[in-house]
Amino acid sequence: KAGVTQTPRYLIKTRGQQVTLSCSPISGHRSVSWYQQTPGQGLQFLFEYFSETQRNKGNFPGRFSGRQFSNSRSEMNVSTLELGDSALYLCASTSLGGQGDEQYFGPGTRLTVT
Amino acid sequence: GQNIDQPTEMTATEGAIVQINCTYQTSGFNGLFWYQQHAGEAPTFLSYNVLDGLEEKGRFSSFLSRSKGYSYLLLKELQMKDSASYLCVSDNYGQNFVFGPGTRLSVLP
Repeated sequence: KAGVTQTPRYLIKTRGQQVTLSCSPISGHRSVSWYQQTPGQGLQFLFEYFSETQRNKGNFPGRFSGRQFSNSRSEMNVSTLELGDSALYLCASTSLGGQGDEQYFGPGTRLTVT
Repeated sequence: GQNIDQPTEMTATEGAIVQINCTYQTSGFNGLFWYQQHAGEAPTFLSYNVLDGLEEKGRFSSFLSRSKGYSYLLLKELQMKDSASYLCVSDNYGQNFVFGPGTRLSVLP
């Protein structure tokens, strides 16, 4: 069974631009969560999608948005990029996203904003 | 609020035993995960505790005390490849996972 894949793996953007990151979950998994990881903050939850609906949302500004498609693939978008958005963006999938479900992480997309 | 504390860094010697502690204060607590993350890689699952007590899995064991809001991860017979960050993660009813800041473990020869 293929693991979680994320594209692109590395990205360099300039301030003010927007970016779209993609995540393909493990086949059969319906829940996809997105996280931002920075050295000082650790993993911060962005949002979770289940069956094309946003089920949970973290404390990030509206510039961060996401969506999920019928095949469970998910995208996240960051508009009007700021220097502080430079981070590793990880997505994780679980079968149903229920209590105790192990999350399987993708390799991440490293975003650098200059 | 949601708060998880764990030491920032720890150092141990190859072959030794190390215990990484985690305290949590999260609402709707259901269980506690431990994840391992090597530098530049994605986190990988180590353990999940729902009930109080110790769960052993090979060289790694995890302990939970719900009444004390406390967990630890015990690593025995340390190997160089165990050098990584260890993430304490709270699983909460109806909410997203809450990740601790991680403990960076360095295993020295």
